[in-house]
Amino acid sequence: DIVMNQSPDSLAVSLGERATINCKSSQSLLYSFNNKNHVAWYQQKPGQPPKLLIYWASTRESGVPDRFSGSGSGTDFTLTISSLQAEDVAVYYCQQYYSTPYTFGQGTKLEIK
Amino acid sequence: QVQLQQSGPGLVKPSQTLSLTCDISGDSVSSNGAAWNWIRQSPSRGLEWLGRTYYTSKWYNDYAVSMKSRIIINSDTSKNQFSLHLSSVTPEDTAMYYCVRARPACDYWGQGTQVTVSS
Repeated sequence: DIVMNQSPDSLAVSLGERATINCKSSQSLLYSFNNKNHVAWYQQKPGQPPKLLIYWASTRESGVPDRFSGSGSGTDFTLTISSLQAEDVAVYYCQQYYSTPYTFGQGTKLEIK
Repeated sequence: QVQLQQSGPGLVKPSQTLSLTCDISGDSVSSNGAAWNWIRQSPSRGLEWLGRTYYTSKWYNDYAVSMKSRIIINSDTSKNQFSLHLSSVTPEDTAMYYCVRARPACDYWGQGTQVTVSS
C-alpha cells in the first residue's frame, strides 16, 4: 500500500497569515499515462464528511476559494492557504488515488493562533 | 447536483453483518468514469478506504485486502444505489461509514453513518 505522511500533525497560524501543509508519499504518484499527479486534498470540519479542495495535486475544485492552492510532484506535495480565514479551521487530509487501496494521510489540524 | 443518501442501522451485534445502502441522485451508478466507494473513519485508523464498484462495459469491484474475505459491495441499477455488506463484524469495525463518488478524486460524500458494533 502507498503510505501518505503529512506534516505537521497540527498547526496554529494567525488570521491573514499563510498556512502550509506537507504530504509525502512512499512512491511516486505521477502517472506516466496522463502525466498527472494522482493526489487530492480535503478539508474536514467537525460533524461533516471531508470536502474535496484540490485534485490532480493542483486543480482547485469548483467553488473552492482561490486562497487554497496545491503544488508538488512525484512524492512531495503541499497545500497552501495564502491568507488564513476563521472558517478555514479544520482538519486537512491528503489522499492518493494512483492505485487501490486509496490511502489518506493522518490529517493536519489547523487552528488559529 | 449529485447527492448521496445513506441508510442502515447504527448498531450491529458482534459476528453479524453490517449492511448500508447509498441512494444516488444527480448521477447514475452505472455512469462511465465514476466509481462508487465506501470509506470509513475512526480515531484509531483514520480515513480507511474499504472498496469500490464501477461500470466500464461490465461491473468491477476492488476491495481492501484487509477486508477481502468479509466485504461485498454491490449495485442496483433499478434503484440507482449501491450497498456495503461487511460480515463477521467486531468492535474494531466501529466507525463512521461514508459512501463516496470518485471521478477519480472523491468529490461527493454521503452524510455518514455512525456504526457501533456492540452486544
